[in-house]
Amino acid sequence: AQSVTQPDIHITVSEGASLELRCNYSYGATPYLFWYVQSPGQGLQLLLKYFSGDTLVQGIKGFEAEFKRSQSSFNLRKPSVQWSDTAEYFCAVNMYSGGGADGLTFGKGTHLIIQP
Amino acid sequence: NAGVMQNPRHLVRRRGQEARLRCSPMKGHSHVYWYRQLPEEGLKFMVYLQKENIIDESGMPKERFSAEFPKEGPSILRIQQVVRGDSAAYFCASSTGQGSGGYTFGSGTRLTVV
Repeated sequence: AQSVTQPDIHITVSEGASLELRCNYSYGATPYLFWYVQSPGQGLQLLLKYFSGDTLVQGIKGFEAEFKRSQSSFNLRKPSVQWSDTAEYFCAVNMYSGGGADGLTFGKGTHLIIQP
Repeated sequence: NAGVMQNPRHLVRRRGQEARLRCSPMKGHSHVYWYRQLPEEGLKFMVYLQKENIIDESGMPKERFSAEFPKEGPSILRIQQVVRGDSAAYFCASSTGQGSGGYTFGSGTRLTVV
């Protein structure tokens, strides 16, 4: 079965510093890959997604992610974080294969705290 | 163009009662997905529906839980005889179709069983 691993449960970063959140997946083929952000008590907002093509994907709020097939990774990055980036970040994959299943499999999330 | 609408935002039920959660997909979306988020956990897929059809319910508990997406009206996630372990946030997402990847999530319904 497919799985998504986010190895870092909590990360604290100073405002203005760079950020990288890790995500690894387990699957035989190339899945569709997503990063979502969730603020406290809110729903999920899509930051970016990868389907095919250029392995470096640009998203909203200054985030980007790079798909590395050899490492089965899809790490999220931001060059300079802001206090408003404090939130929960989820990596997700969709193993769509045309066979009926179409749901997303989520990692357990990384709780990001930005220190002033 | 409203996004995915879920109601109620908060729902409190006593043990043994029924909970009904509603989800109206985005305009033009005919595919609906339900997820459950337990405290300190990621979202877990429950069920995937199209109009009048359940496509994949592999994540649904075998008992007490059911879902529908009628021809008219919102999708309903129904939990019968709720127990404290059902307390969670339930999120609905919609898309235009399989493999599109264009999921839009609602703000969720937070169910508390007392």
